[in-house]
Amino acid sequence: SQQGEEDPQALSIQEGENATMNCSYKTSINNLQWYRQNSGRGLVHLILIRSNEREKHSGRLRVTLDTSKKSSSLLITASRAADTASYFCAATGFQKLVFGTGTRLLVSP
Amino acid sequence: DTAVSQTPKYLVTQMGNDKSIKCEQNLGHDTMYWYKQDSKKFLKIMFSYNNKELIINETVPNRFSPKSPDKAHLNLHINSLELGDSAVYFCASSQVIGGTEAFFGQGTRLTVV
Repeated sequence: SQQGEEDPQALSIQEGENATMNCSYKTSINNLQWYRQNSGRGLVHLILIRSNEREKHSGRLRVTLDTSKKSSSLLITASRAADTASYFCAATGFQKLVFGTGTRLLVSP
Repeated sequence: DTAVSQTPKYLVTQMGNDKSIKCEQNLGHDTMYWYKQDSKKFLKIMFSYNNKELIINETVPNRFSPKSPDKAHLNLHINSLELGDSAVYFCASSQVIGGTEAFFGQGTRLTVV
């Protein structure tokens, strides 16, 4: 299977703490994207990092990419209860997005 | 205005029936996709279309037939539904194939009984 893997599968933290999710992928990529899915909803794009970039920031999000290890990480700083959702990485290669298995994040008030 | 809309949101049907899910995007994108999300939340690509042309068919059974009447629409027809087809089906679109941000519909929860 080309599907990537994410760890942890589930993460439970308190508001104000940082949350780190890791993603490993199998294919060559043009870029890697992170998406968020609230329960019962569609996916929403968060951030895209190109294969020639190593780190990218957007608000409270920080993404790193290591193409030699075929891995990426998403850091959410100063988490809020509203960040509770599932987070998916998507490796963008030839003509398609291949999603990871997702991390379920629970942020408690 | 909803960027990617799919209907219906919920679909409950019996085994053996034929059903369709419709998807429309108003973003002017060239590429549309169908993804299946199973009970474990794994998201797998089923099809991608670029300018009404099939680009990817990820070994999906022949019972699934996508139809793209124009580049703003990608419908999914499923024949002879099976219990294992129960899942959430997501339509998505992107400006170009494989390279940019994808916009997702809200999903269609299909339950086959």
